[in-house]
Amino acid sequence: GAGVSQSPSNKVTEKGKDVELRCDPISGHTALYWYRQSLGQGLEFLIYFQGNSAPDKSGLPSDRFSAERTGGSVSTLTIQRTQQEDSAVYLCASSPQIAQETQYFGPGTRLLVL
Amino acid sequence: DQQVKQNSPSLSVQEGRISILNCDYTNSMFDYFLWYKKYPAEGPTFLISISSIKDKNEDGRFTVFLNKSAKHLSLHIVPSQPGDSAVYFCAASARGSDSWGKLQFGAGTQVVVTP
Repeated sequence: GAGVSQSPSNKVTEKGKDVELRCDPISGHTALYWYRQSLGQGLEFLIYFQGNSAPDKSGLPSDRFSAERTGGSVSTLTIQRTQQEDSAVYLCASSPQIAQETQYFGPGTRLLVL
Repeated sequence: DQQVKQNSPSLSVQEGRISILNCDYTNSMFDYFLWYKKYPAEGPTFLISISSIKDKNEDGRFTVFLNKSAKHLSLHIVPSQPGDSAVYFCAASARGSDSWGKLQFGAGTQVVVTP
């Protein structure tokens, strides 16, 4: 079956512009996660959604970052007024339920802020 | 604050030999550990996991060892194959906390298997 998909695969933007990154999780997966990987770093947790519960936003680095998940499926990560330090690979993952730690990752969106 | 550390950024091993990847953690609340493998331009894929109630878990060529007292785990790949060349990430979670779904990842170890 289809895995986690993300779009766009690459995004180049200018400092100060807003960007939206999209994630389509595996059908039926109730938990959805966003991570980012900066150059030479590990994956940094950003936010996760579980069903209709309030999302855990504790990993978002600033109030310029926000995410939503509509209809319990597709999620959008929005970065407002992008900065050069936002350049990273943004990874989305999903799992059948929050209690299952095994997460299935998408290919990521490579964001470059000039 | 890096709670999961992989101190070796790279590892080169000959085909057929054993690859040993190491991971250390600082949070004593972590009770579930995973290894992910990542190829370039792809997302990480799950490889193997271990619960804190065990000290070893084996799946084919892959074995994970957990030493809770030392807060250390390792991944053994035997025998190493060229297709194992990838970045390997160690990850941990604390099931008993409200951080259930948040995996903490190490920085990764690049493994290169040479013929």
